[in-house]
Amino acid sequence: QQQVKQSPQSLIVQKGGISIINCAYENTAFDYFPWYQQFPGKGPALLIAIRPDVSEKKEGRFTISFNKSAKQFSLHIMDSQPGDSATYFCAASRSGTYKYIFGTGTRLKVLA
Amino acid sequence: DTEVTQTPKHLVMGMTNKKSLKCEQHMGHRAMYWYKQKAKKPPELMFVYSYEKLSINESVPSRFSPECPNSSLLNLHLHALQPEDSALYLCASSRSGLAGEAGELFFGEGSRLTVL
Repeated sequence: QQQVKQSPQSLIVQKGGISIINCAYENTAFDYFPWYQQFPGKGPALLIAIRPDVSEKKEGRFTISFNKSAKQFSLHIMDSQPGDSATYFCAASRSGTYKYIFGTGTRLKVLA
Repeated sequence: DTEVTQTPKHLVMGMTNKKSLKCEQHMGHRAMYWYKQKAKKPPELMFVYSYEKLSINESVPSRFSPECPNSSLLNLHLHALQPEDSALYLCASSRSGLAGEAGELFFGEGSRLTVL
């Protein structure tokens, strides 16, 4: 029940295309869902996050869609750029705990 | 640029050595974390300090010894490590402390450890 399942494991997208990464969780107590972006040799950096009281959040080219009933959330990267090539981790956290449950990661490559 | 600074960036040590990893943040955050990350894997939580007190130890072997000298500094002392301990060690901090919520984690760039 503590797992967060992430797919796909890897993704190749043409420049200007839409990148979509999906995550699913089981624990309905989770109430914070961030996405982290990690470049090679760097630490993860928060990209965008959502709480279950909204179904969508958009920041620039990045959008989180959240489906509470299906216990799924996804990251959409519009107009994907080669600079977006990185590993993306979804995560889930619950109030009252310091722990994040991370997904397994998606390696995104955007072709120029 | 990250506001969580980790040193050294790279460390090579033998199995009998004693070394330390250091982490510093000046954002006034009250929770600090050590994560371990193997290649192509997500970060794994090792320790959490809240208000300079050890709050979580994820059953980490005693050859890893954390220390929080003050609210801005976090150390990880290493002794008698094994080759399988080779990994990227990430420090993170978050604003939350007492509430026990991770909130937004700010990661450092990590210390790449190789154990020979």
